[in-house]
Amino acid sequence: GAVVSQHPSRVICKSGTSVKIECRSLDFQATTMFWYRQFPKQSLMLMATSNEGSKATYEQGVEKDKFLINHASLTLSTLTVTSAHPEDSSFYICSAGVAGGRDTGELFFGEGSRLTVL
Amino acid sequence: RKEVEQDPGPFNVPEGATVAFNCTYSNSASQSFFWYRQDCRKEPKLLMSVYSSGNEDGRFTAQLNRASQYISLLIRDSKLSDSATYLCVVVTGTASKLTFGTGTRLQVTL
Repeated sequence: GAVVSQHPSRVICKSGTSVKIECRSLDFQATTMFWYRQFPKQSLMLMATSNEGSKATYEQGVEKDKFLINHASLTLSTLTVTSAHPEDSSFYICSAGVAGGRDTGELFFGEGSRLTVL
Repeated sequence: RKEVEQDPGPFNVPEGATVAFNCTYSNSASQSFFWYRQDCRKEPKLLMSVYSSGNEDGRFTAQLNRASQYISLLIRDSKLSDSATYLCVVVTGTASKLTFGTGTRLQVTL
């Protein structure tokens, strides 16, 4: 089946630094990828929709200047958390769907990246 | 009111038991519904879609009640390996608008 790979799986950084997370679709092309954030014991919250070759669409309340998204190719989207602070510590997950998939909910998720900001 | 609500549990059941989860959604225009499974500290994985006519996949049965705006998941003959968090997912509007419930945690014991 379709596979989405995310890297790094864990990252610990100091407050004020920037962290880049990569999301790759390994055996299919994804014109659209999605970035979610999940705090402990909470649901996945959509942060933004990453569109290949164009600007990302951010959900209300998500700062686009803080969470930079680049979708430069059909198989790679990156999320950069700029000037990270402890409150940004969370589980970040990307997902992508297969174009033409029968069910719009058939998203394949990356393994997730656990960010800890000290 | 949350868009998608689930009982967080945990549901502690013995092996072999039958357990059911419900999920309610607030937007009557929602058009697609899914159950995802998420293991601790792992990514969610699609368990099954939910159709108006109800659907079954082995020990798992999903049902949709549009009038009451809820979906359900029934697990029969629970296995230890079923222990996980089950996320209710509702799609409304464009394909990108997947809304996840907070999940219901299931713990199957010996």
